[in-house]
Amino acid sequence: EDKVVQSPLSLVVHEGDTVTLNCSYEVTNFRSLLWYKQEKKAPTFLFMLTSSGIEKKSGRLSSILDKKELSSILNITATQTGDSAIYLCAVERNNDMRFGAGTRLTVKP
Amino acid sequence: NAGVTQTPKFQVLKTGQSMTLQCAQDMNHNSMYWYRQDPGMGLRLIYYSASEGTTDKGEVPNGYNVSRLNKREFSLRLESAAPSQTSVYFCASSDVGRSNQPQHFGDGTRLSIL
Repeated sequence: EDKVVQSPLSLVVHEGDTVTLNCSYEVTNFRSLLWYKQEKKAPTFLFMLTSSGIEKKSGRLSSILDKKELSSILNITATQTGDSAIYLCAVERNNDMRFGAGTRLTVKP
Repeated sequence: NAGVTQTPKFQVLKTGQSMTLQCAQDMNHNSMYWYRQDPGMGLRLIYYSASEGTTDKGEVPNGYNVSRLNKREFSLRLESAAPSQTSVYFCASSDVGRSNQPQHFGDGTRLSIL
């Protein structure tokens, strides 16, 4: 059965720390892997990854896909309290997406 | 730009009652989705509609029905609500088939069934 597994499930860090969130997957008909940030309401899009080994960056956030290892990481450098959220990994298949359970990140001042 | 709009935002039902959750998008997307989000389980796909006039079951369709009323609107119906359907429901839309087009989500409907 297709599955997407994120680790850790929760993480508490202090401002300024660097964090790495992990996502591994086993799905058929893989099209892309996406990262979303969810604060109080709707998940908001961060990255879409389709090619292995190509890093995508947006400010302090970056992500990379490893198709050989069937995994992806999301890095956040110099964390801020505003980075506190649930980070969701999702794998897009032919017609739908399968989500992981999410990593709850808490950044303390 | 409204994006994806869901109504209502909150609802409390009694077991056995019926309810329709509404979703509308103004981005001219072909595909629309309904998810439920429960603690520790991420988002699970209930139903999706790849294009106007078509609907398909997702991962957890039991107890739900959907209607793709037109390109903009995709509703989710609970015919006889059960406590196990207490959850936060998200609607999303996207343009499947176009590269680099992620799903856009509504703000969710928090549904409690007593």
